[in-house]
Amino acid sequence: AQSVTQPDIHITVSEGASLELRCNYSYGATPYLFWYVQSPGQGLQLLLKYFSGDTLVQGIKGFEAEFKRSQSSFNLRKPSVHWSDAAEYFCAVVGGSYIPTFGRGTSLIVHP
Amino acid sequence: EAGVAQSPRYKIIEKRQSVAFWCNPISGHATLYWYQQILGQGPKLLIQFQNNGVVDDSQLPKDRFSAERLKGVDSTLKIQPAKLEDSAVYLCASSPSTGLGNTEAFFGQGTRLTVV
Repeated sequence: AQSVTQPDIHITVSEGASLELRCNYSYGATPYLFWYVQSPGQGLQLLLKYFSGDTLVQGIKGFEAEFKRSQSSFNLRKPSVHWSDAAEYFCAVVGGSYIPTFGRGTSLIVHP
Repeated sequence: EAGVAQSPRYKIIEKRQSVAFWCNPISGHATLYWYQQILGQGPKLLIQFQNNGVVDDSQLPKDRFSAERLKGVDSTLKIQPAKLEDSAVYLCASSPSTGLGNTEAFFGQGTRLTVV
């Protein structure tokens, strides 16, 4: 069975600073990988996804993520954070069972 | 394109009462998911439907939770009787996937359940 670890519960950055949110997965092969964002009181919105091919994936709102097989990681990055990026971010993995598994989430706090 | 619709948005009930949530997925989406999201945690899959058949319900507490997807379109999730630990946001999501798992899921806004 697959699993996802998001080691950081909270991340605080200043507006305009760069951001990296960590995601590690456990699965015997290459899974499908996703990053979702959840604003307060809202459902989850897909930021980006990786299925195969280029390991650097571009998403919406200026986000990107890099799949590193050797590290079993799929970290989310953004070069310059905006105050509106404050939200909860979830990494998700889909393995051979085709059942999506989510991490516990990382709460992003943006200081002005 | 209309998104995933869920109702109600909020529900407060006493323990041992019953409650039902409704979800209307995006038109044409074959796969429908119900997730439970407890405060401070990621969503946990309760049940996954493919059209009107159950793909996975291994994490559904079947002694108190039930779900159905009549005609392969909208779905209801029921809890009877509710416990305090059922307090959570219940998210419905749908996907056009035919089971390959490589397509995104579109989420509704969720129903926030508080059991007192």
